[in-house]
Order: sequence, then C-alpha cells, then structure tokens
Amino acid sequence: KNQVEQSPQSLIILEGKNCTLQCNYTVSPFSNLRWYKQDTGRGPVSLTIMTFSENTKSNGRYTATLDADTKQSSLHITASQLSDSASYICVVSDTDKLIFGTGTRLQVFP
Amino acid sequence: NAGVTQTPKFRILKIGQSMTLQCTQDMNHNYMYWYRQDPGMGLKLIYYSVGAGITDKGEVPNGYNVSRSTTEDFPLRLELAAPSQTSVYFCASSSRDRANNEQFFGPGTRLTVL
Repeated sequence: KNQVEQSPQSLIILEGKNCTLQCNYTVSPFSNLRWYKQDTGRGPVSLTIMTFSENTKSNGRYTATLDADTKQSSLHITASQLSDSASYICVVSDTDKLIFGTGTRLQVFP
Repeated sequence: NAGVTQTPKFRILKIGQSMTLQCTQDMNHNYMYWYRQDPGMGLKLIYYSVGAGITDKGEVPNGYNVSRSTTEDFPLRLELAAPSQTSVYFCASSSRDRANNEQFFGPGTRLTVL
C-alpha cells in the first residue's frame, strides 16, 4: 500500500535554532517528492519538488534531501523564525496521483 | 493575479442541506482538483478535472458532485450534507498533470455539518 509517514508529529523549537523533519515513504512507482508548508487556516504552499535523480534542493533557509534507495526524505530548516510556525507536509507522486503525509506541526517560540 | 480563490471561507450546514463550494483560478491552468483535509489525516482527493467539460473521481468522491464548464471555475456540490462531510476543503490547480507539476492551493473552506 502506498503510504507516506512523517515524524515527529509535532515539534517545538526556539527561534534561531535549526530543526529537521523526516519523511518515509512506500510509494511505487516513484515520480517525485514534494514538501509543502501550510500556515494555520491557509492552503499548502510548495517549498521544494525533487525527482528521483535529485538528492538535495534548497529554497532559502529550507533544504530538502532525498534518499531514493532508503525511501527517506528530510526537510532541514536553518535559523528558524517565528514565521516558520506551520505544518509541513511531505507529498509523494506515483506518476499518477499524489499521496499526502499527515504533516509535522512546527511551533517556533521566541 | 489572485491565484486560486475559494468561497465561502466558513459554512455551517444542517444534515440534509445542500451547498456549492466555489473555486476560481486565474492562472489559465487546465488541471483543477478538490481535496478534503480531516484532522490528523493527509489530504484526500475528491474529484479532479483535466480541462473544461472533463471531470473524474478521486479517492473519496461519494456524496459530492462537480462540473467544469469553464477553464477558470470548478465548483464542488454537496447534495445531502452529512456529519462525515465536516472537513476543510481545498481547491487546487496545476498547469499540467498532477503527478509532475506543482499544484497551487486555495485558502480553503471550513465546513461543519450538524
């Protein structure tokens, strides 16, 4: 069964600190993996999209990695800001549809 | 350029009532989608459309209907609201097929059925 699992479910960090969010998937065939940021009460916004041949992609302070062999991805946030407080959703495409993870809820406190 | 807009933002329905959730995009995207997001769950695809006049079922289509008469609009219809349809509904669009292209999401409609 195609699944996308994320950990941790929630995370609290202090402003300025770094953090890493994890995504494991069992999706086949694999087309691409995306990370979305979803602010409270808003729709998801794309951060990165990686294909099979890409193992890292950055978007400002956000860096995503992909290990297609172990079927794992991570999203690293550097020097966190209060505005990083949101849910981060990992999404994997199987060439036909998207399979969404349940997200990691990140809270950044001053 | 407003992107994807949805109305209303919030709605409370009684069991058995009907309503239409509106979705409009101004990016000239061919592909449009409706998702629902339940607490603690990943987004689930309800219906999608690959162009005007063409719609298809997603993972959870029961209890919903859609139409696509124009490129810009993709309304979602609930005919007989049930408590199980309490959820947040997101409309999205993409320029090409959903698997390989970025989807742009609207702000969502929070629906409660009592």
